[in-house]
Amino acid sequence: GAGVSQSPSNKVTEKGKDVELRCDPISGHTALYWYRQSLGQGLEFLIYFQGNSAPDKSGLPSDRFSAERTGGSVSTLTIQRTQQEDSAVYLCASSRTGLNTEAFFGQGTRLTVV
Amino acid sequence: GQQVMQIPQYQHVQEGEDFTTYCNSSTTLSNIQWYKQRPGGHPVFLIQLVKSGEVKKQKRLTFQFGEAKKNSSLHITATQTTDVGTYFCAATMNKLVFGAGTILRVKS
Repeated sequence: GAGVSQSPSNKVTEKGKDVELRCDPISGHTALYWYRQSLGQGLEFLIYFQGNSAPDKSGLPSDRFSAERTGGSVSTLTIQRTQQEDSAVYLCASSRTGLNTEAFFGQGTRLTVV
Repeated sequence: GQQVMQIPQYQHVQEGEDFTTYCNSSTTLSNIQWYKQRPGGHPVFLIQLVKSGEVKKQKRLTFQFGEAKKNSSLHITATQTTDVGTYFCAATMNKLVFGAGTILRVKS
């Protein structure tokens, strides 16, 4: 596709359920990032992939959060046993070669835990 | 942890007034990027600065990178209502770290 695609765009889930968020980066982009943004707040770094490996997982808030990337392309962010404080917009971005190149963001997934 | 400080948090200006947001780090940065996020939208890349003392302009926007590569600024001359949004700086610190952002509101 022409840009970074995220699905679903909106997700409402019950507390305690697991959710899986998907990111399709721009074709050929080797770097992929996940961020979380609460209403009116900044971008909280979650994880960064270079190819299929994650050099930095330090931003994952707890062991309920995990992410993987396969084939150097699609990435999924999984949140297990969701809590209300997990409600936020989850943004994915990709860049062509890595940290020193422009990051292109997707439209985000708005997660609401009820 | 490693972070980039950004001020101010909010700025309300009258249309036609100037606006500046500042970004500071305690460590030397390899580069600094600036993004704009419109209300309800996602961050969009504006520019990247790499060289010490670098100044770049995009129409009414002027971007500066400090001589010590520890600070940066974005200045908008004669703001317009289309400038409304949140402006973020971002720095490479083994990952792409964003400042907290400055929310710009423009009164017409």
